[in-house]
Amino acid sequence: KQEVTQIPAALSVPEGENLVLNCSFTDSAIYNLQWFRQDPGKGLTSLLLIQSSQREQTSGRLNASLDKSSGRSTLYIAASQPGDSATYLCAVESSGYALNFGKGTSLLVTP
Amino acid sequence: DVKVTQSSRYLVKRTGEKVFLECVQDMDHENMFWYRQDPGLGLRLIYFSYDVKMKEKGDIPEGYSVSREKKERFSLILESASTNQTSMYLCASSYPLRVGTAGANVLTFGAGSRLTVL
Repeated sequence: KQEVTQIPAALSVPEGENLVLNCSFTDSAIYNLQWFRQDPGKGLTSLLLIQSSQREQTSGRLNASLDKSSGRSTLYIAASQPGDSATYLCAVESSGYALNFGKGTSLLVTP
Repeated sequence: DVKVTQSSRYLVKRTGEKVFLECVQDMDHENMFWYRQDPGLGLRLIYFSYDVKMKEKGDIPEGYSVSREKKERFSLILESASTNQTSMYLCASSYPLRVGTAGANVLTFGAGSRLTVL
């Protein structure tokens, strides 16, 4: 069974810092990996999707990388802002339909 | 934009009641999912459906059933609610990046339904 782990569980940084969130998975046979953002009490918003044949994806200040062979992905956030404060979840699709999620990293960006 | 709408944002029910959670998507997506999210446990898949009248058990189907009579609607049913089913329930739908393939699905989530069972 695919296990997805996210480290750290929580992170607090001052505004303006660049930061990296980590995600690891146990089975490298994946179709894709997605990063989501979740604000308190809300649903999930998809940020980036990396297909298994890709190495990275970028959207604005966000850059996600994928190393399938080592079972790792990172989400890089440049020049963090207080509005980036949220929980970030990593999920992998390895069974064909459903995603397996990590437990998330709770990010707080302080002014 | 794809919209996934969950009919109730907050529900309070009593133990033993039958509970229906409704989810509707407006973009003709084939796949629909129900997850529950609990602190410390993350998101866990309850059921999913890849076509009308089709359903597959996820990781934690016990105590739940689902119905998909129309492509746009996927209902989660708690036949007899229990306190350990108090949770945030999240519905999602997806389409494959390559039509006709099972992989590379892009998920869109609803806003969630927070259920409290007393």
